[in-house]
Amino acid sequence: QQQVKQSPQSLIVQKGGISIINCAYENTAFDYFPWYQQFPGKGPALLIAIRPDVSEKKEGRFTISFNKSAKQFSLHIMDSQPGDSATYFCAASKGYGQNFVFGPGTRLSVLP
Amino acid sequence: DTEVTQTPKHLVMGMTNKKSLKCEQHMGHRAMYWYKQKAKKPPELMFVYSYEKLSINESVPSRFSPECPNSSLLNLHLHALQPEDSALYLCASRLTSGILYYYGYTFGSGTRLTVV
Repeated sequence: QQQVKQSPQSLIVQKGGISIINCAYENTAFDYFPWYQQFPGKGPALLIAIRPDVSEKKEGRFTISFNKSAKQFSLHIMDSQPGDSATYFCAASKGYGQNFVFGPGTRLSVLP
Repeated sequence: DTEVTQTPKHLVMGMTNKKSLKCEQHMGHRAMYWYKQKAKKPPELMFVYSYEKLSINESVPSRFSPECPNSSLLNLHLHALQPEDSALYLCASRLTSGILYYYGYTFGSGTRLTVV
């Protein structure tokens, strides 16, 4: 129940295209869902996050869509750029002071 | 200052060596974490310090010994490591109260450890 599933494992998109990464969870107690972006040799950086009381959150080219009934959430990257090439991790946490459960990651490559 | 600083960036050590990793933040975060990350895998939680006290030890072998001397500093002491301990070691911190709690972790860039 602590697991967060993520797909696809890897993704190749042309420059200007839309990148979509999906995550699913089982534990309905999760109440915070961040996405982290990690470049090679660097630590993960918080990209965007959502709470289950909203269905969508947009920040620039990045959008999280959240489906509480299906226990799924996804990251959409519009107008994907080569600089977006990185590994993306979804995560979830529950309650105050609890730690994150990470998905296995998606390696995104955006071709020029 | 919105950074978590880790030193050294790279470390090569023999299996009989003793070394330490250092992590520092000046954001007033009172929760600090050590994660281990193998290639192509998500970060794996090792230790959690909350208000300078060890609150979680995820069954980590005793050859890893954490220390939190003050609210800004976190160390990880290494002794008699094995080659399979080679990984990227990440430090993270997080606010522990208020609405900004939901802003998640701030990670450092990590220490790339190679055990030979």
